[in-house]
Amino acid sequence: QQKVQQSPESLIVPEGGMASLNCTSSDRNVDYFWWYRQHSGKSPKMLMSIFSNGEKEEGRFTVHLNKASLHTSLHIRDSQPSDSALYLCAASMNYNQGKLIFGQGTKLSIKP
Amino acid sequence: EAAVTQSPRNKVAVTGGKVTLSCNQTNNHNNMYWYRQDTGHGLRLIHYSYGAGSTEKGDIPDGYKASRPSQENFSLILELATPSQTSVYFCASGDIAETLYFGSGTRLTVL
Repeated sequence: QQKVQQSPESLIVPEGGMASLNCTSSDRNVDYFWWYRQHSGKSPKMLMSIFSNGEKEEGRFTVHLNKASLHTSLHIRDSQPSDSALYLCAASMNYNQGKLIFGQGTKLSIKP
Repeated sequence: EAAVTQSPRNKVAVTGGKVTLSCNQTNNHNNMYWYRQDTGHGLRLIHYSYGAGSTEKGDIPDGYKASRPSQENFSLILELATPSQTSVYFCASGDIAETLYFGSGTRLTVL
């Protein structure tokens, strides 16, 4: 079973709308979460990280983390066509620092 | 920005042949990683390393070996390539905050 699960598998959002992506770990030893963005044909690039409970905002992007439920979410407001990409959630476990486990990704398409 | 260079960018190999994928980083990061990416699976960890001379098994190490001869270089070796190893392979280096910096990827096709 995959230790990091993402939902939905794919998402279509109108331009200017709000996109919400989810990620849950099945391993209670999860320490930290990251969100990576991968445009088609390119390599993944780190978008945001969150290490403690609560919310973190950077421009149009907001990340939430609930460590009790091992759940993180990424919200993109005022979505732009350039936000169309594969979004990957990654987690590291406190018993194996440096080893990041990725989810299967959410494919986000922004419809003009 | 952090620099991770992979070679080759594309590779076609025959079943049973030996394939070596190379990765070089100029970030002076201790940690380096090899992932493969297939549709529906995201990124899956094959091998990783904490520094020169060390290699660790990831989640899908079978059929792969790794070598870290120096801080800068990390290779992935397929001794006997199989069609199931057709994939896109990404190398990454990781900083102290565990942020990963990826190379451009190698598209491997095993016929």
